[in-house]
Amino acid sequence: IAGITQAPTSQILAAGRRMTLRCTQDMRHNAMYWYRQDLGLGLRLIHYSNTAGTTGKGEVPDGYSVSRANTDDFPLTLASAVPSQTSVYFCASSDGPGVTDTQYFGPGTRLTVL
Amino acid sequence: GNSVTQMEGPVTLSEEAFLTINCTYTATGYPSLFWYVQYPGEGLQLLLKATKADDKGSNKGFEATYRKETTSFHLEKGSVQVSDSAVYFCALSSYGNKLVFGAGTILRVKS
Repeated sequence: IAGITQAPTSQILAAGRRMTLRCTQDMRHNAMYWYRQDLGLGLRLIHYSNTAGTTGKGEVPDGYSVSRANTDDFPLTLASAVPSQTSVYFCASSDGPGVTDTQYFGPGTRLTVL
Repeated sequence: GNSVTQMEGPVTLSEEAFLTINCTYTATGYPSLFWYVQYPGEGLQLLLKATKADDKGSNKGFEATYRKETTSFHLEKGSVQVSDSAVYFCALSSYGNKLVFGAGTILRVKS
């Protein structure tokens, strides 16, 4: 069982370019999440989806968009990348959106915007 | 709003030393509390969790008790190993299961 896969592993991107980070899970989890990790700040929620067809904004959604066309995939798009979006991005999933549900994380995508 | 504060690192210990990493939280309602661990170059893995007051989570020799009266969830291990070197994150989950993380604590264990 792969769990959660993310692609690419790392990417260097010119400012102003469009970029989509891919996330796929094979656990049939209903809820999925995108976080960014920055030194000294821990992880912060960008967007989430409680079930296929629905999405919501997290703590730091500006400059990012998501879609959830099916259960397994949850891509994150940067429409026009800026240097402040340089970060490590983690996708996660959980069986449900309940308070006690454990989130499982992918290996991350390291993105550098120049 | 909800927040998590954990002790700053890095924490450097010798093998077999006792470990405590402090974590306190501010939350409305009845959050669940988690410790995640991140090994170098990897994603986060759940280490342990507690879902209600006075619950003790434990795994791989680590443990933490959900203390509502002191709003704390300190991580402890009686004897650390070199392989425990990693970054440890305290987190809480409230309504809608949106995790709020602390800044992370780097643990370095020397042989």
